[in-house]
Amino acid sequence: DAGVIQSPRHEVTEMGQEVTLRCKPISGHNSLFWYRQTMMRGLELLIYFNNNVPIDDSGMPEDRFSAKMPNASFSTLKIQPSEPRDSAVYFCASSWTGGADGYTFGSGTRLTVV
Amino acid sequence: AQSVTQLDSHVSVSEGTPVLLRCNYSSSYSPSLFWYVQHPNKGLQLLLKYTSAATLVKGINGFEAEFKKSETSFHLTKPSAHMSDAAEYFCVVGRFSGGYNKLIFGAGTRLAVHP
Repeated sequence: DAGVIQSPRHEVTEMGQEVTLRCKPISGHNSLFWYRQTMMRGLELLIYFNNNVPIDDSGMPEDRFSAKMPNASFSTLKIQPSEPRDSAVYFCASSWTGGADGYTFGSGTRLTVV
Repeated sequence: AQSVTQLDSHVSVSEGTPVLLRCNYSSSYSPSLFWYVQHPNKGLQLLLKYTSAATLVKGINGFEAEFKKSETSFHLTKPSAHMSDAAEYFCVVGRFSGGYNKLIFGAGTRLAVHP
């Protein structure tokens, strides 16, 4: 199993540009999570999908952030327009329904907005 | 509400000596608890999990943790540290709500291992 695959590993963009982060969950997992890691706030849950449907997006910071899951094997997190304070490591994770036994995380995307 | 407190932000040990990373949790009911490890510039790897079975949980790479309800603790231990154990460790509590187990991360403990 290749695990959770995220791309790109690193992204540097200018303020105001659109950024799209991508995630491929583990095959067969039907729950998908996006987390953000910063020095100030640690690891925060942004959004949770179950069977491709967004269930809990209460952690999405503002309207500039959006996430989609068009099918069971692909999800995107988009920031438009990006701001320097969005600089962080973004993790995608997947699990069996609901994540009762924990999640499997990808390697993350390090985003730098200059 | 569920939360975790990692009592040490940094721990430094010598190779071959025991490791103790402390974690206290707060939960209104029997929680699920986890330890994750993050090596530099890497993702988060599950070390072990407690989900109301045995109170002493064994994980990967020789780590284990003991769930102590009376002390609301879930400390992570290893008898003998290895250089490769140097990483950041996160204690995590699961909050089951809205049909899923939301993982709430502690602030992390950075473990340094010296020769």
